[in-house]
Amino acid sequence: DTEVTQTPKHLVMGMTNKKSLKCEQHMGHRAMYWYKQKAKKPPELMFVYSYEKLSINESVPSRFSPECPNSSLLNLHLHALQPEDSALYLCASSQEGQETQYFGPGTRLLVL
Amino acid sequence: AQSVTQLDSHVSVSEGTPVLLRCNYSSSYSPSLFWYVQHPNKGLQLLLKYTSAATLVKGINGFEAEFKKSETSFHLTKPSAHMSDAAEYFCVVRRFSGGYNKLIFGAGTRLAVHP
Repeated sequence: DTEVTQTPKHLVMGMTNKKSLKCEQHMGHRAMYWYKQKAKKPPELMFVYSYEKLSINESVPSRFSPECPNSSLLNLHLHALQPEDSALYLCASSQEGQETQYFGPGTRLLVL
Repeated sequence: AQSVTQLDSHVSVSEGTPVLLRCNYSSSYSPSLFWYVQHPNKGLQLLLKYTSAATLVKGINGFEAEFKKSETSFHLTKPSAHMSDAAEYFCVVRRFSGGYNKLIFGAGTRLAVHP
């Protein structure tokens, strides 16, 4: 199984809402990533988790809060987002120390 | 620091003709390079990767890329385009920073395939 799944596929939220994005993989990967992709732009790294611990935070605003409850699951909690946060949010995973990352289909987020 | 430059933002070909998507890299040591494809409203799929083994790398769906150190290039090619190849293609280099692997993406090349 080489699949990374993400839910929901689409999400519309207001600026005062709290929502969460979910990512799951069953490949035994111990590194997981969140990326943000604006329209017609390449993905930008947000967070890296290694062995369920936050390893890299690319200076992401605190209204984005990642969580890794176990080795298969990665969440991104959203609170008080701005319209400019509307984007495709991609999750990826890899073997620890390995270069190849496997991406999920993404969650398309619209903030009104 | 490692970086990649995709030389064309848009490429348009006719179905059945060859595809060439150009990528130049910058790296102070032997790089790890990737090509990913993103179809409309989809995630990214790994096409192929170069990690200092054979300089000609074969990927999925008939794509291949050649690593040329003298030209600092890693161009993606396919002999015959198919309509399903229409997508955004990203050339990517690995950067090892702070003990972790980061993927550094090029700006992307949008491939259009016409009947």
